[in-house]
Amino acid sequence: DTAVSQTPKYLVTQMGNDKSIKCEQNLGHDTMYWYKQDSKKFLKIMFSYNNKELIINETVPNRFSPKSPDKAHLNLHINSLELGDSAVYFCASSQEDISSEQYFGPGTRLTVT
Amino acid sequence: DAKTTQPPSMDCAEGRAANLPCNHSTISGNEYVYWYRQIHSQGPQYIIHGLKNNETNEMASLIITEDRKSSTLILPHATLRDTAVYYCIVRVRGIKAAGNKLTFGGGTRVLVKP
Repeated sequence: DTAVSQTPKYLVTQMGNDKSIKCEQNLGHDTMYWYKQDSKKFLKIMFSYNNKELIINETVPNRFSPKSPDKAHLNLHINSLELGDSAVYFCASSQEDISSEQYFGPGTRLTVT
Repeated sequence: DAKTTQPPSMDCAEGRAANLPCNHSTISGNEYVYWYRQIHSQGPQYIIHGLKNNETNEMASLIITEDRKSSTLILPHATLRDTAVYYCIVRVRGIKAAGNKLTFGGGTRVLVKP
């Protein structure tokens, strides 16, 4: 029944490592997003994909590379992790031509040590 | 997207209506008002949205002033589970070029007390 799921829920890793976060939605939506919530709790858009096409890249460092193998998946790969990458990452999806409300996943808490 | 202004926090008594204000004085004609909330340690949750008419769903009511410069989210009978940060967001809808992103501000931290 889960609409938007993310794995893993928690990720602890060391600086310099490469890691991936996976996101899947079973809502049949055509648009998916990645948001970052930092320690001060501000939520900011990172990427938006529509039908596997990149729509938004909000000046995110190119160490972050989203990959959308199909409409239902949007994965986030992060190279050379830095301390400042520690945050909660949320995936979301929407169907813009119908209703446009976004459904969010439970989040992945990334801690870089 | 137009900027919104919300009070940083408010308390509400359980069982009473909670009225959450939002100012969006620079809203343009094609921008909708959206409300989301984030319960602690969870992803944001959509509540309601509207353009110029008042809207109601099973979660809340949205009252938009006639000049559209402000709105109020009403939780009719607040419960302890409604304790969350509530975000008022204005944005265009369904325009691919705009990216359909949500721009979150600081929101209003609502504490429902027994």
